[in-house]
Amino acid sequence: AQTVTQSQPEMSVQEAETVTLSCTYDTSESNYYLFWYKQPPSRQMILVIRQEAYKQQNATENRFSVNFQKAAKSFSLKISDSQLGDTAMYFCAPTGGTSYGKLTFGQGTILTVHP
Amino acid sequence: DAGVTQSPTHLIKTRGQQVTLRCSPKSGHDTVSWYQQALGQGPQFIFQYYEEEERQRGNFPDRFSGHQFPNYSSELNVNALLLGDSALYLCASSSYRRPHNSPLHFGNGTRLTVT
Repeated sequence: AQTVTQSQPEMSVQEAETVTLSCTYDTSESNYYLFWYKQPPSRQMILVIRQEAYKQQNATENRFSVNFQKAAKSFSLKISDSQLGDTAMYFCAPTGGTSYGKLTFGQGTILTVHP
Repeated sequence: DAGVTQSPTHLIKTRGQQVTLRCSPKSGHDTVSWYQQALGQGPQFIFQYYEEEERQRGNFPDRFSGHQFPNYSSELNVNALLLGDSALYLCASSSYRRPHNSPLHFGNGTRLTVT
């Protein structure tokens, strides 16, 4: 079984600034994957970044990077140079290696980027 | 390269009726997972299909059933609709045998309203 906690229901940031969204999780699997998805008002679930738990190096994808602390079961998302288009609901979601595709989503963090 | 496609976009049904939602996976993907997302909540895993069989199932009643076809497309069926079944239904696709090369991609979803 997996659980996810996103402790920040809402966050706001000024355009061009940096913001960090937090996520803690629990899983019984030894091999797993972690995802951050964004869901704008258009409702499409868009993959932001993926981390494989066996990799120690933190994943990066352009302005998005993660701080993966495996022992602490923490998986935070840093957005640099925030843009208005980053305004969305952000979800953290792990999935196990033996149950790949069964994502467990947190409650989400609403991020608003202000001009 | 077509992404994950879902149909219909919106659907309105009456309590007690039955509904069928459809999903075509991303090219090269063979596994389809279905999620239910209530308003303001994170998605909840319903079930996953691979090789035309249900491989994993979440905590949903038997009223929720599915099917996968030889071309990997999938259907979600919900019988005896309840008002509480009103939600956004999301489909995600992946590759069963190559999860490390296969980030989960979502479709735009089907908005089901039960009156």
